[in-house]
Amino acid sequence: DAGVIQSPRHEVTEMGQEVTLRCKPISGHNSLFWYRQTMMRGLELLIYFNNNVPIDDSGMPEDRFSAKMPNASFSTLKIQPSEPRDSAVYFCASTQGAGGYTFGSGTRLTVV
Amino acid sequence: AQSVTQLGSHVSVSEGALVLLRCNYSSSVPPYLFWYVQYPNQGLQLLLKYTTGATLVKGINGFEAEFKKSETSFHLTKPSAHMSDAAEYFCAVTANRDDKIIFGKGTRLHILP
Repeated sequence: DAGVIQSPRHEVTEMGQEVTLRCKPISGHNSLFWYRQTMMRGLELLIYFNNNVPIDDSGMPEDRFSAKMPNASFSTLKIQPSEPRDSAVYFCASTQGAGGYTFGSGTRLTVV
Repeated sequence: AQSVTQLGSHVSVSEGALVLLRCNYSSSVPPYLFWYVQYPNQGLQLLLKYTTGATLVKGINGFEAEFKKSETSFHLTKPSAHMSDAAEYFCAVTANRDDKIIFGKGTRLHILP
């Protein structure tokens, strides 16, 4: 298995632009998680899905952030409009239960 | 509700010395416990996990952890540190099979030559 695949690996964008991050979970995994990691805040859970349904989005910082999971093999995290404080590494992870998460390699977002 | 406390945001050990990273958890139900490792510019990788059964759990790269219910602890150890062990380590807990995992703030391990 190729693992959890995230794209792009790096994204540099200007403030005010729309940013879309993509994630392909491991086939057969029924839960998907989006995390944000920064030096100041550490690892923060933004939202997670179970069987493609959003279960808990209490970590989404503002209405500028939205996430979708249209099918079991694809999810997106969108930021519109982006701001410099959104600069972070965004991770996607998937799991099929108590075995623990498998993380992607992350997308490093820089908003200038 | 579950929570995790990792003692020490930075730990330094000499190469060849014992590695001990401390983790205490809080959970209202029997927990599942995990240790993850993050190398620079990479995602988190599962090191080991405890769900049920034997309380001493062995993981990859020579690491192990022991679940101690009476102490609500799940400390990570390795008998002899190697330079390649330098990374950030996260302890995590979950109560339910499909529920979100709660991560600690991480401990950065430095290996001194």
